[in-house]
This record gives sequence, structure tokens and C-alpha cells, in this order.
Amino acid sequence: EVQLVESGGGSVQPGGSLRLSCAASGFTFSSYWMSWVRQAPGKGLEWVANIKRDGSEVYYVDSVKGRFTISRDNAEKSVSLQMNSLRAEDTAVYFCARGETIPTWDYWGQGTLVTVSS
Amino acid sequence: QSALTQPRSVSGSPGQSVTLSCTGTISNIGSYSYVSWFQQHPGKAPKLIIYGVTKRPSGVPDRFSGSKSGNTASLTISGLQAEDEAAYYCSSYAGYYTALFGGGTKVTVL
Repeated sequence: EVQLVESGGGSVQPGGSLRLSCAASGFTFSSYWMSWVRQAPGKGLEWVANIKRDGSEVYYVDSVKGRFTISRDNAEKSVSLQMNSLRAEDTAVYFCARGETIPTWDYWGQGTLVTVSS
Repeated sequence: QSALTQPRSVSGSPGQSVTLSCTGTISNIGSYSYVSWFQQHPGKAPKLIIYGVTKRPSGVPDRFSGSKSGNTASLTISGLQAEDEAAYYCSSYAGYYTALFGGGTKVTVL
């Protein structure tokens, strides 16, 4: 059974940092792109970042470039999102998702809430 | 990177058909056959129901169908059922391994 389990969410002050992790199981992790997608409270979905199967290429939405870093460990079957210089507008539930292509995300985690507030 | 445009809400009676639109530009929907649709019930993770414009993942009822014309993609739900009441999001490849979502359409079953 394919499973994606996010962790690391919480409350942080503006300008602070958080590291989200997503543990994968039930599939050949290295065969899939991995992505982070977020959803602000009561709002729609927003794609945040992608990482290629072997981790050699990463891509970000403009609003997080220079602040967020996506990485993966294929041996550990995990993908992470390091979030620095957090802003109030980064407050959202963050989902990790797998995809054979973009945007064919066929499995999603349950999400982890990040709250940025003073 | 502007979001794709979706109507905020659509409603229909059980058994009816509803069609949801998703309008982009030549830079995204108009140039690629990588359009997906996701269904999201409150408090739940999104679920992929259409990918590659028209394809359905295993287990998704054939009541759900997708299409595209020019810069606009569409999702049709035929034979609307109570459990179809949810938010629906379109997403398109936007080049350079990036993606865009629409703002979402809330489907209400009357």
C-alpha cells in the first residue's frame, strides 16, 4: 500500500525556519517525482516545489525561491522541505505528493500544518 | 505564474450532469496535454480523478470525464451523486517542470 506521511509542521514566528519531512512506503520511491503542494486555510491548492527522481533537478514557485529548499533521500525514501525566512503568507497545510509526471500526482499525504504568526 | 481560472461554484440535482471549466493560457493548458483534476472533500487530501486531460486512474468512476479545447479544460460529472459534493481543482503543466492550479470549484448536489 502506498503511503506518504508528512511531519515537522508547527507554529513559528515570521522570519523563522521549519523543516518538513515526508516518509514514503509501498512503492519504488526513486521512480517518481516528488512534490510539495500547500493549501492556505480556506483557500485553494498551490504547487510549491518539485524534485526529480534522482534529486538532480529542483523547481519552485516564484514566491518561495531563495527561501525554500526541496531535497530527497532515495535510500531513506524520504523527501524534505527546508523553509527559511518564513512569512505569514506561508501559513498553510503542506502536502507531499508523488507523480510520474507533473501534475499527475496520484498519491498524497495527509498534510502537515505550518502556522507563521507573531 | 497566475492561477488557472475556475468558477467558484456549480450545482446540480442527483442524476444530472455538470461541467466544470478551467481556463488558462497558451503558456499552460493551451500548449500541453498535461491537465489533471483533483477532488477534495473537507479536511481530506486531494484525490486525482483525471490526468493527461482525459485519462482516469484505476478506481475512478467513468462518470468523470475530461476534455480540452484551446486554453480551456473541462471536467464533466455525469449522473451526479451525493458523494460528488466536494471541491474540484484543475492543474496544468506550465513549462520548466512547474505547475499551476485553478482556484477550485465547489460542487453542490441539490
